[in-house]
Amino acid sequence: EPEVTQTPSHQVTQMGQEVILRCVPISNHLYFYWYRQILGQKVEFLVSFYNNEISEKSEIFDDQFSVERPDGSNFTLKIRSTKLEDSAMYFCASSPSGREPTYEQYFGPGTRLTVT
Amino acid sequence: AQKVTQAQTEISVVEKEDVTLDCVYETRDTTYYLFWYKQPPSGELVFLIRRNSFDEQNEISGRYSWNFQKSTSSFNFTITASQVVDSAVYFCALSEATSGGSNYKLTFGKGTLLTVNP
Repeated sequence: EPEVTQTPSHQVTQMGQEVILRCVPISNHLYFYWYRQILGQKVEFLVSFYNNEISEKSEIFDDQFSVERPDGSNFTLKIRSTKLEDSAMYFCASSPSGREPTYEQYFGPGTRLTVT
Repeated sequence: AQKVTQAQTEISVVEKEDVTLDCVYETRDTTYYLFWYKQPPSGELVFLIRRNSFDEQNEISGRYSWNFQKSTSSFNFTITASQVVDSAVYFCALSEATSGGSNYKLTFGKGTLLTVNP
């Protein structure tokens, strides 16, 4: 069964460093998302991506964040200068195309980012 | 703005008990989608069910059942004869179509931690 994959599973970085979180969505999906979950808290929407552009971003997704789909298969989230409060689990999700949003979003296993 | 409330932060039951997880949502859209996800201790998000706003029929899947009531904006989840493996955080989520149909972001509730004791 196709699945969303994410690498690395755990990333430790120092404050101020750049990190790139990588996701490979399911191959025939066209809608892509990043969410984050600070430990013990709810899952929060960061950004949605469709047709090679951002369709919506949350207030969390400031200028330090960017997303890219560089080669038609990978979907990356970059944090330019990490802060302690960026420590969280980051989930990538994808969903199929269609006229109706009746399909569930398939989530990857997540990347745990620890900023020290 | 959409909002999902899961008032129960933690629930603890003994194996074989039935347990209901509550979810109340707010939305201005007439068309929306409701979901339940399970997050076991390993951390991944496991899809359980999707329900469209125009389909109020309740659903049963094995020991799981869902009660969708638009009149009270609720989408409750019941586990019958709970098992230790059901121990997890359960999230209710809501999706509205925005941005001309190019974004179906999920808004999650804060989750309910279910502990099933042997």
